[in-house]
Amino acid sequence: AQSVTQLGSHVSVSEGALVLLRCNYSSSVPPYLFWYVQYPNQGLQLLLKYTSAATLVKGINGFEAEFKKSETSFHLTKPSAHMSDAAEYFCALEIQGAQKLVFGQGTRLTINP
Amino acid sequence: NAGVTQTPKFRVLKTGQSMTLLCAQDMNHEYMYWYRQDPGMGLRLIHYSVGEGTTAKGEVPDGYNVSRLKKQNFLLGLESAAPSQTSVYFCASSPGQASTDTQYFGPGTRLTVL
Repeated sequence: AQSVTQLGSHVSVSEGALVLLRCNYSSSVPPYLFWYVQYPNQGLQLLLKYTSAATLVKGINGFEAEFKKSETSFHLTKPSAHMSDAAEYFCALEIQGAQKLVFGQGTRLTINP
Repeated sequence: NAGVTQTPKFRVLKTGQSMTLLCAQDMNHEYMYWYRQDPGMGLRLIHYSVGEGTTAKGEVPDGYNVSRLKKQNFLLGLESAAPSQTSVYFCASSPGQASTDTQYFGPGTRLTVL
C-alpha cells in the first residue's frame, strides 16, 4: 500500500534561514507527489506538484521540491524563510490515474524573528 | 467565483444526533471529496464522487454517508454522531479530466461531538 511519511511534526527556523521539510513516500508504482500548505483556520492550498516531468519542481512563494526516486523522497525547501511562511505543510501522494490523495501527517513550521 | 464553500463553519452536536455538512463548488468540477483532519494524522479520505449521482468509499467511511444529487453539491451525513467523529472536515473538488488535476479545498467545518 502507498504511504507518505513526514519527518518531524514541528520544525522551527529563524527568519532568513533555510527551510527544509522532509517527505518520504512508499509506492509500488511511480506516484505523483504534492505539497500543500494550510494557514491557520483555512483550507489547504497547493504549493507545488511533481507529475513525472522535471524532478526539480518550483512552486509558489519561493518553495521548491526535488523528487529523488533512489531515496523515495520529495523534500520541500525554501532558501530564506519569511514570517509569512508559518503554517502547516502536508506532503501527499497520488497513484497515477487514481485521482485520490494520500496525505502525510503534516509538519508545523514556526518562524522565529 | 467562490471556489469551494462549506456550510456550516462550526457545529457542536450531542452523541446520537444527526447532521449534514454541505459542500458546494462553482467550478464545474466532476470530482468531489470529503476528508477529515485529526491532529498528527494528516487528512484522511472519507468518501468521494467521480460525477453526479456516483459515490465511493475512501479510507475511513464508517459512520458517514454521502450524496451527490447535483454536480455542484456533495453532502456528508452523520446519522448518529459519536465523539470519535469530532474533527475538522474538508471538502475538495477537482476537474477530473486528468490524474494531474489539482484538488481545490474548502475552508473546513469544525465539528465537536459531546
